[in-house]
Amino acid sequence: DGGITQSPKYLFRKEGQNVTLSCEQNLNHDAMYWYRQDPGQGLRLIYYSQIVNDFQKGDIAEGYSVSREKKESFPLTVTSAQKNPTAFYLCASSIDLRETQYFGPGTRLLVL
Amino acid sequence: QKEVEQDPGPLSVPEGAIVSLNCTYSNSAFQYFMWYRQYSRKGPELLMYTYSSGNKEDGRFTAQVDKSSKYISLFIRDSQPSDSATYLCAVLTTSGTYKYIFGTGTRLKVLA
Repeated sequence: DGGITQSPKYLFRKEGQNVTLSCEQNLNHDAMYWYRQDPGQGLRLIYYSQIVNDFQKGDIAEGYSVSREKKESFPLTVTSAQKNPTAFYLCASSIDLRETQYFGPGTRLLVL
Repeated sequence: QKEVEQDPGPLSVPEGAIVSLNCTYSNSAFQYFMWYRQYSRKGPELLMYTYSSGNKEDGRFTAQVDKSSKYISLFIRDSQPSDSATYLCAVLTTSGTYKYIFGTGTRLKVLA
């Protein structure tokens, strides 16, 4: 059953803590993306990766970091430098940058 | 001016009605047009995509693109309560760098 999985579904972060959101896909897609969704603001691109071992900053990369060591996996770390991390985080993938994107179920990050 | 504009709604209709959801965009370089459906606290689901002006039909859904007016629409026939969700339009430009831009979404409520 092909698709994109994200874990955990809910994540709580304490002040000053780094947290990592998982994204895995078994669609054999080269490109992967991370978005942040806030009410009334739509989807904003954090980072994207065109291929393994390569990634590029999106529109709101400050306070976030990523890695792409495997084709299937694109984890996102929300660092303590991100002062307003409460949001719904969505991972997506596509065959390549020119193709339509498919989304995972999302992770809701809350700050304690 | 935002590159993609979408009325946030909410739009409330009775069951069985024809629903019209719309987006406008500002850049004639946008070449691909998508509609996603997003249920509450879930990831967006790709409904339809097209790259040419005109209509594309899939079951109860019809996507319409008017490139001369920079206007895209999604029509839902015989709307059902299960269609209640937020609908996101998205555009993809492939001139220069590939860029995916989302509208903020229109919340639709279909009343039984």
